[in-house]
Amino acid sequence: ETGVTQSPTHLIKTRGQQVTLRCSSQSGHNTVSWYQQALGQGPQFIFQYYREEENGRGNFPPRFSGLQFPNYSSELNVNALELDDSALYLCASRGKSMNTEAFFGQGTRLTVV
Amino acid sequence: SQQGEEDPQALSIQEGENATMNCSYKTSINNLQWYRQNSGRGLVHLILIRSNEREKHSGRLRVTLDTSKKSSSLLITASRAADTASYFCAPLTPGTALIFGKGTTLSVSS
Repeated sequence: ETGVTQSPTHLIKTRGQQVTLRCSSQSGHNTVSWYQQALGQGPQFIFQYYREEENGRGNFPPRFSGLQFPNYSSELNVNALELDDSALYLCASRGKSMNTEAFFGQGTRLTVV
Repeated sequence: SQQGEEDPQALSIQEGENATMNCSYKTSINNLQWYRQNSGRGLVHLILIRSNEREKHSGRLRVTLDTSKKSSSLLITASRAADTASYFCAPLTPGTALIFGKGTTLSVSS
């Protein structure tokens, strides 16, 4: 158990729909990052939030957006879903210090049909 | 942010053998972290080595860091079937996120 919980665990959506994925961070962690992992690939960095502000973004279009709340839980929203958005979505939380590990949730498996 | 590049992409060994995987990166770092991922699950932190450290041990894991060559290696000694997983490195600089490469897929057969 990492203390990072993601919901839902599995989700099926239709192309063009919108989806919201949720992540509760480990207690005391104020940084959360989101990743997309296609089958057989490494996790691709989507964006990172620190104290409710986005402070880093990977090569993902604006239809991928996020929020971090005062309790440091987080959401990933994806609009206008495409078939290629089918993947495992991972969130990771870590503390303020650079020299701390990240704790990952078990992921949300999104299938777009 | 920068990502590490793991090598080899795939590694198959027998139980009891040692497994070595390497990671290269491009710019100066604060620390480098190694993670393991079992199929379809979240990543699990294995070890963090700071830029001023050269070697670190944790159980059967040994990590080295050569900042002059911008490279790191992860050695798993006496491998077990349960070590079968993908392994990722992530070099970290201040103000950046953990960025992962394609990883090394390790298969340990009994």
